[in-house]
Amino acid sequence: GEDVEQSLFLSVREGDSSVINCTYTDSSSTYLYWYKQEPGAGLQLLTYIFSNMDMKQDQRLTVLLNKKDKHLSLRIADTQTGDSAIYFCAEYTTGTASKLTFGTGTRLQVTL
Amino acid sequence: DTEVTQTPKHLVMGMTNKKSLKCEQHMGHRAMYWYKQKAKKPPELMFVYSYEKLSINESVPSRFSPECPNSSLLNLHLHALQPEDSALYLCASSQVSAGGQSYTFGSGTRLTVV
Repeated sequence: GEDVEQSLFLSVREGDSSVINCTYTDSSSTYLYWYKQEPGAGLQLLTYIFSNMDMKQDQRLTVLLNKKDKHLSLRIADTQTGDSAIYFCAEYTTGTASKLTFGTGTRLQVTL
Repeated sequence: DTEVTQTPKHLVMGMTNKKSLKCEQHMGHRAMYWYKQKAKKPPELMFVYSYEKLSINESVPSRFSPECPNSSLLNLHLHALQPEDSALYLCASSQVSAGGQSYTFGSGTRLTVV
């Protein structure tokens, strides 16, 4: 199966950490991604992780991958109002043809 | 050049019109993709081209007709669309093998059908 699930909504206070979670079902995924999308805009690639890694850090972003549980998370440290957006995880799978399958999206609201 | 360029950025068309969306990349990627995204929903795969041949059609209605005339260009021809086809249309490209690192999206065409 290729269902990728995320919680719909997360609200955090400015300066706190945000953790956005994602679960997937296709164990053959080779890359997993996090994208950010602001209202009316296109997709912005934030980071990606290869499936043989369990952690990747990039400035304020930390990605954790638990391949056994098929669980991916994105932690944003010191969350700012500019981080308010919808966040999509996505998995890259190969087969008949390679493709990305996106999660349902999590709307992050940052409050003052 | 590390970009995928989509034109036009915005398009308004009537239900009887014929229009085309264009996507171009010069990264040497031989896989190209069309996705459709409705507001506040995830992008959904429509078509995949691999080496200029259609390899995936995700049961898309025939009023959407893709074309890959060469390795740098991907078109989506639109005819007799419905208002519910209004969405953001995203193009992407990648290497065919081990394409995960190279997957690149364009900024999209926002289509409104009136």
